[in-house]
Amino acid sequence: GNSVTQMEGPVTLSEEAFLTINCTYTATGYPSLFWYVQYPGEGLQLLLKATKADDKGSNKGFEATYRKETTSFHLEKGSVQVSDSAVYFCALITNTGNQFYFGTGTSLTVIP
Amino acid sequence: DTAVSQTPKYLVTQMGNDKSIKCEQNLGHDTMYWYKQDSKKFLKIMFSYNNKELIINETVPNRFSPKSPDKAHLNLHINSLELGDSAVYFCASSQTQILTGELFFGEGSRLTVL
Repeated sequence: GNSVTQMEGPVTLSEEAFLTINCTYTATGYPSLFWYVQYPGEGLQLLLKATKADDKGSNKGFEATYRKETTSFHLEKGSVQVSDSAVYFCALITNTGNQFYFGTGTSLTVIP
Repeated sequence: DTAVSQTPKYLVTQMGNDKSIKCEQNLGHDTMYWYKQDSKKFLKIMFSYNNKELIINETVPNRFSPKSPDKAHLNLHINSLELGDSAVYFCASSQTQILTGELFFGEGSRLTVL
């Protein structure tokens, strides 16, 4: 079946630290991969995506590279800010594309 | 102008009651969804409608009944509420049912059943 596994949280970092949130997936065919972010009290919003192997998605200083050989899509940011405190969800869509599969979310808190 | 709006934002009610949550999107999208997010932030799809037609119906108790009067609206009615129904319910929409990458989410409706 299709599934997404994310590292367990919560993650607490100091401002300007390096962030990695691991994400691996299981899927049939060639999925598209996504990171969504949920700020406190809000709905999820798309952060970045990659639609084929070796693609790199990037937005707001965050990056993730679609690695088919390791079935991974790890989220990274070189220097986090307090405003990055949120819950981050890794997700995939299969190439039939009618449903998202979300990971369990990773809560990030950045302290000044 | 809010793209996907849900009402109410907060709902506190007693076990056994019936309640509804409304959702509207002004993006002109064809497809709308209901997701349930539990206390551990796990997000699970419940229903999906494409142009008023049900296309995804996950394993959800019959007490949950979605209704789509038109493609811009998808409401969720819950009968005989139980403690385990306490969660945040998110409405979302996408341009078509064949997803190309973005779901647009509402702000969520936090339901507390006492």
